[in-house]
Amino acid sequence: NAGVTQTPKFQVLKTGQSMTLQCAQDMNHNSMYWYRQDPGMGLRLIYYSASEGTTDKGEVPNGYNVSRLNKREFSLRLESAAPSQTSVYFCASSEGTGTASGNTIYFGEGSWLTVV
Amino acid sequence: KNQVEQSPQSLIILEGKNCTLQCNYTVSPFSNLRWYKQDTGRGPVSLTIMTFSENTKSNGRYTATLDADTKQSSLHITASQLSDSASYICVVPSGGSYIPTFGRGTSLIVHP
Repeated sequence: NAGVTQTPKFQVLKTGQSMTLQCAQDMNHNSMYWYRQDPGMGLRLIYYSASEGTTDKGEVPNGYNVSRLNKREFSLRLESAAPSQTSVYFCASSEGTGTASGNTIYFGEGSWLTVV
Repeated sequence: KNQVEQSPQSLIILEGKNCTLQCNYTVSPFSNLRWYKQDTGRGPVSLTIMTFSENTKSNGRYTATLDADTKQSSLHITASQLSDSASYICVVPSGGSYIPTFGRGTSLIVHP
């Protein structure tokens, strides 16, 4: 019952450092997402991948890059971390694309990132 | 601008009591509304989904209602338990977009 697995769970970075958040799902879902969650704000979409081989920007893509490595894996990269990127990051997946048709989005457990 | 507003922002109740959380949305066109539960330090988990034609849907002690005319939904929790302590998030797809609009959530604390 792994579902959506993301690593690392916790990470502290210095400003300017780079890192990659890894995500994998074992539900054979077509679509995958990266969200960030900040105190007092709703989840905001960074990037999504509607299907293997495609990626698109969400609401807050600046400072991030993504790679849909295969159907299972979707990584998020911070090329030059900034304190404003301190947040909790959630990877998610759904069988179909988007939620307008009723697709359920399944979330990972989150990655706590602090940039100092 | 599509918006989802939740109230109250936070709520403290005693174990065994009932409570109701509210969600107002301006998203159009409307297709469905979903309630998620997010335990502290965990990812959100779907509780229930409401479509346009549904007024009420129950999932155990959780009952969601939807009034599409007034664009309001509520989540009623009956006989609360300590494990109900969590953030409850209302989510509405933004029309045909792939980007659903998430509410900021209501933080519920159940005290023994």
